[in-house]
Amino acid sequence: EAQVTQNPRYLITVTGKKLTVTCSQNMNHEYMSWYRQDPGLGLRQIYYSMNVEVTDKGDVPEGYKVSRKEKRNFPLILESPSPNQTSLYFCASSPAAGNEKLFFGSGTQLSVL
Amino acid sequence: SQQGEEDPQALSIQEGENATMNCSYKTSINNLQWYRQNSGRGLVHLILIRSNEREKHSGRLRVTLDTSKKSSSLLITASRAADTASYFCATAGYSGAGSYQLTFGKGTKLSVIP
Repeated sequence: EAQVTQNPRYLITVTGKKLTVTCSQNMNHEYMSWYRQDPGLGLRQIYYSMNVEVTDKGDVPEGYKVSRKEKRNFPLILESPSPNQTSLYFCASSPAAGNEKLFFGSGTQLSVL
Repeated sequence: SQQGEEDPQALSIQEGENATMNCSYKTSINNLQWYRQNSGRGLVHLILIRSNEREKHSGRLRVTLDTSKKSSSLLITASRAADTASYFCATAGYSGAGSYQLTFGKGTKLSVIP
């Protein structure tokens, strides 16, 4: 089944403890992106990648890192999480940048205490 | 950022009525997309309209795009209780540096009362 898989679905951690949220797609998509969703703010783009080894900052990149070493994987890394990074995170992919729709993962609810 | 803004923020209608949501944006776009989200779950793509298109239909959905006014509307006809969800518009385009971004608005929360 074609899908975007995020793990974990829920994560509770403490301030400063490095964590990684994984994202994998099995559709050979070139374009991948991370968003965070907060009440009243909608979805905001964190980072995106137009292809392997090509990543770029979105609107709210501070405190996050990404890598795109393989086409299928696009992990989101929080080196030193802080409480203001408590949010619902979504990974998404599309065949290419351009006139294409996004396929979303199921989301990761992160709480940083 | 070329984030779209939906209007209204919330909409409550009776089953069978039509629901109209609007989206306005500020910069030129490549395309505009509408997505649906059931509470806390991943977004699902509904429809994409290119900048050179004015109207598009998909089942009970009708989307219009007016690039001169930088606005779009999503019409859901004959609404059902199962249409209850949040609806987001997303504007897509290329930045000056050639990077492609798809940015979302804050959404319209639609409640359809049986």
